[in-house]
Amino acid sequence: AQKITQTQPGMFVQEKEAVTLDCTYDTSDQSYGLFWYKQPSSGEMIFLIYQGSYDEQNATEGRYSLNFQKARKSANLVISASQLGDSAMYFCAMREAPGGGGNKLTFGTGTQLKVEL
Amino acid sequence: GAGVSQSPRYKVAKRGQDVALRCDPISGHVSLFWYQQALGQGPEFLTYFQNEAQLDKSGLPSDRFFAERPEGSVSTLKIQRTQQEDSAVYLCASSYDRGNEQFFGPGTRLTVL
Repeated sequence: AQKITQTQPGMFVQEKEAVTLDCTYDTSDQSYGLFWYKQPSSGEMIFLIYQGSYDEQNATEGRYSLNFQKARKSANLVISASQLGDSAMYFCAMREAPGGGGNKLTFGTGTQLKVEL
Repeated sequence: GAGVSQSPRYKVAKRGQDVALRCDPISGHVSLFWYQQALGQGPEFLTYFQNEAQLDKSGLPSDRFFAERPEGSVSTLKIQRTQQEDSAVYLCASSYDRGNEQFFGPGTRLTVL
């Protein structure tokens, strides 16, 4: 079973508009972390935002916010005031309770975001 | 300071050749991870080091894949007798400790002909 599901292969948004990228996850752990990474065409993975499973408030980092709904097991990324430079692939990832694998991440399949004028 | 670096950035190998991919993590980072990213997919975990100890290699797809980090800093991922299905981007990431954010390198794009 997929642990991280991103159902939107591609999304378009107009510049200056807000966009929501969906992510649902599956875990039986009580303690876990959720991450969003951005991957431009150049290939590097850029950390955007982190939400811990025990965090009561939704995480925010500048124009990025994470809409965390624990009961629904969803962790959607909201980008406000989209910019042309936001065009990239976005990955949702989960870190489950540390074990032998430390804090290895399990990634979704990604959403390709295109910001248009 | 310097981020995670990887070399080479691109590697073309003929099927059956051995390749070695290098990762220089951020100085002082204890944890080091290797991921494999196939075209159009998300990265998939290969192996994890804490200092020089390889604590998890459950993601290595076959015994042709081998990783080491002998002095707890630089790591090398070696693939023996490369196959076409090994073509992918190989990403290295490091973090200060087990629970922290991972910083990724630019990746090595391996193409096996």
